[in-house]
Amino acid sequence: EVQLVESGGGLVQPGRSLKLSCAASGFTFDNYAMHWVRQAPGKGLEWVSGISWDSAITGFADSVKGRFTISRDNAKNSLYLQMNSLRVEDMALYFCARGSSSYYYLDYFDYWGQGTLVTVSS
Amino acid sequence: QSVLTQPPSVSAAPGQKVTISCSGRSSNIGNNYVSWYQQLPGTAPKLLIYDNNKRPSGIPDRFSGSKSGTSATLGITGLQTGDEADYYCGTWDSSLSAGVFGGGTKLTVL
Repeated sequence: EVQLVESGGGLVQPGRSLKLSCAASGFTFDNYAMHWVRQAPGKGLEWVSGISWDSAITGFADSVKGRFTISRDNAKNSLYLQMNSLRVEDMALYFCARGSSSYYYLDYFDYWGQGTLVTVSS
Repeated sequence: QSVLTQPPSVSAAPGQKVTISCSGRSSNIGNNYVSWYQQLPGTAPKLLIYDNNKRPSGIPDRFSGSKSGTSATLGITGLQTGDEADYYCGTWDSSLSAGVFGGGTKLTVL
């Protein structure tokens, strides 16, 4: 059974940093691209970032480009999102999602975690 | 403001059929596959349709997808109260080089 479990969310002040993690199990992690998708309270889904199976290719939404970094450790079956210079508008539930291919671009998202909540407030 | 446009809400009676539209442009829906996701209250999204009209294993054939030009449609027949959820369309935007979603449609089964 595919499982994705996010962690690392919490309350952080504007301008500070936070690192999210996603632990994957139930599939061959290094065969798939992985993504972060977020959902602000009461709002819709927003794609944040994606990474290829080998970390060679990454992509970011314009809203986070230059502030967020995505990475993965295939030996640990883990995905990460380093979030710097956080803003109030980054407050959301952050989902880890498995991509449908190895290269992330043009993926659909076939499995999702339950999300980890990031609250940005002073 | 979402890149893809969906109606905020739709409703229908149990047993009836409903369609949810998703409108975009040539840089996204017009030239890329569309997927659809169901988000039941308080849960994570779940893949319903991929590659415009394919269903993952375990998704009943009451759910269908189609695409024409720069628009896509999700159809649900034989509505059940358990279908009450938010539904999102998604695709990739070649101009933005980013994944994009619709704003979501809340389905109410009256």
